[in-house]
Amino acid sequence: AQSVTQLDSHVSVSEGTPVLLRCNYSSSYSPSLFWYVQHPNKGLQLLLKYTSAATLVKGINGFEAEFKKSETSFHLTKPSAHMSDAAEYFCVVSPPWGTYKYIFGTGTRLKVLA
Amino acid sequence: ETGVTQTPRHLVMGMTNKKSLKCEQHLGHNAMYWYKQSAKKPLELMFVYSLEERVENNSVPSRFSPECPNSSHLFLHLHTLQPEDSALYLCASSQAGGVTDTQYFGPGTRLTVL
Repeated sequence: AQSVTQLDSHVSVSEGTPVLLRCNYSSSYSPSLFWYVQHPNKGLQLLLKYTSAATLVKGINGFEAEFKKSETSFHLTKPSAHMSDAAEYFCVVSPPWGTYKYIFGTGTRLKVLA
Repeated sequence: ETGVTQTPRHLVMGMTNKKSLKCEQHLGHNAMYWYKQSAKKPLELMFVYSLEERVENNSVPSRFSPECPNSSHLFLHLHTLQPEDSALYLCASSQAGGVTDTQYFGPGTRLTVL
């Protein structure tokens, strides 16, 4: 069985400071992991994905995430927050063999303060 | 048009109305999905079509009826809905059978049931 936990429902950062959004997963096999972003009244946009290649994954808009098997974590980071990063972020876990079974986290709402 | 499109973007309907949501993907994918996104709840997978066959129906009430006439189009027919069905309905597509099925989402239809 798989599950995913986003540890913070809300995160606030000041513009120009680092962003850290935390995600822990549980899986009986090596999963695929994704981060999606959802801006208000928009659909979900893929930020990045991990599929058992490099453990440090770079995504769009300066985001990256590191897969840490020992900690069962896949935290999302960005060195410097921009106002346009304010959105909701979803961590997703999926089996590695390409089925359609996405398991979504409950989301983290990121607020960026001027 | 590129990516995944959904129409209408907003829909208000009474409980006795019949309406349909439309999704179209321009990515050459062979799997399509309907999700429901309600406030303060995780995304709920409703239906999955792979190669135009329904492969998943997550205990969705019969007042929601999906239709997939071809690999590029997906509909969700609605009738006698309840106010608790008000939500954002998201469509997604992917290329099933790959190493990792990355899902690409449309912008959603915001449904309000009066």
